[in-house]
Amino acid sequence: DIVMTQSPDSLAVSLGERATLNCKSSQPVLHSSNNKNFLAWYQKKPGQPPKLLIYWASARDSGVPDRFSASGSGTDFTLTISSLQAEDVAVYYCQQYFRTPPSFGQGTKLEIK
Amino acid sequence: EVQLVQSGGGLVKPGGSFRLSCAASGITFTNAWMTWVRQAPGKGLEWVGRIKTKTEGEARDYAAPVKGRFTISRDDSESMVYLQMNSLKTEDTAVYYCTLELDRGSPLWGQGTLVIVSS
Repeated sequence: DIVMTQSPDSLAVSLGERATLNCKSSQPVLHSSNNKNFLAWYQKKPGQPPKLLIYWASARDSGVPDRFSASGSGTDFTLTISSLQAEDVAVYYCQQYFRTPPSFGQGTKLEIK
Repeated sequence: EVQLVQSGGGLVKPGGSFRLSCAASGITFTNAWMTWVRQAPGKGLEWVGRIKTKTEGEARDYAAPVKGRFTISRDDSESMVYLQMNSLKTEDTAVYYCTLELDRGSPLWGQGTLVIVSS
C-alpha cells in the first residue's frame, strides 16, 4: 500500500500570510498513460464533509479560490495558500488515488497565528 | 441538484450489525464508482471501500481493517449505495461518508453519518 505522509502536523500562519503544506507518497503516483499525478487535496472543517480542493496534483476544483495552488510530481507535493483567510482554518489532507487502496495523509491542521 | 444524502447511523453493540444508505441525485449513477470513507473521533480520514459499476461487474475493494466484515452494494434502479457492517468493533466508531469517486478524486460527498459501537 502507498503511505502518505504530510508535514507539518500543524501550522499557524498570520492572516494574509502564505501557508505551505507538504505531502510525500511512499511510491510515485504518476500515471504514465496520461502523465497525471493521481494526487488530491481536501479541506476538512468540523461537522462538514471533506471538500475537494485540488486534483491531479495541481488542478483546482470548480469554485475553489485561486489563493489555493498546488504543485509537485512523483512523490513530493505541496499545497500553498497564498494569503490566508480566516475561513481557511481547517485540516488539510492529501490523498493518492493512483493505487488501491486510495490512501490519505494524516492531515495538517492549519490555524491562525 | 447534485448531491449524496446519507441515512442510517446510530448506536450498536460490539459484534452487532448496521447498514448505512446513501442516495445519489443529479449524477449518472450507473457510471459512478461509489466509495465509503470514515473518520474516527479525533482521527484522520480513512478509506473504507468502493464499488465499481455494473458493467465492471460491481467489483469491490475494501480496506484491510474491514475486509470480510463490511459489504458495499448498489441499486442502480434507485441510485442507492449501501454499506453493510457486520461484526462491528469499538474501533469502527466513526463518521461515515459516501463519496463519488472519479479520476480526479472525490468531488462529491454525503453529509456523513455517525456510527457508535459501544456496549
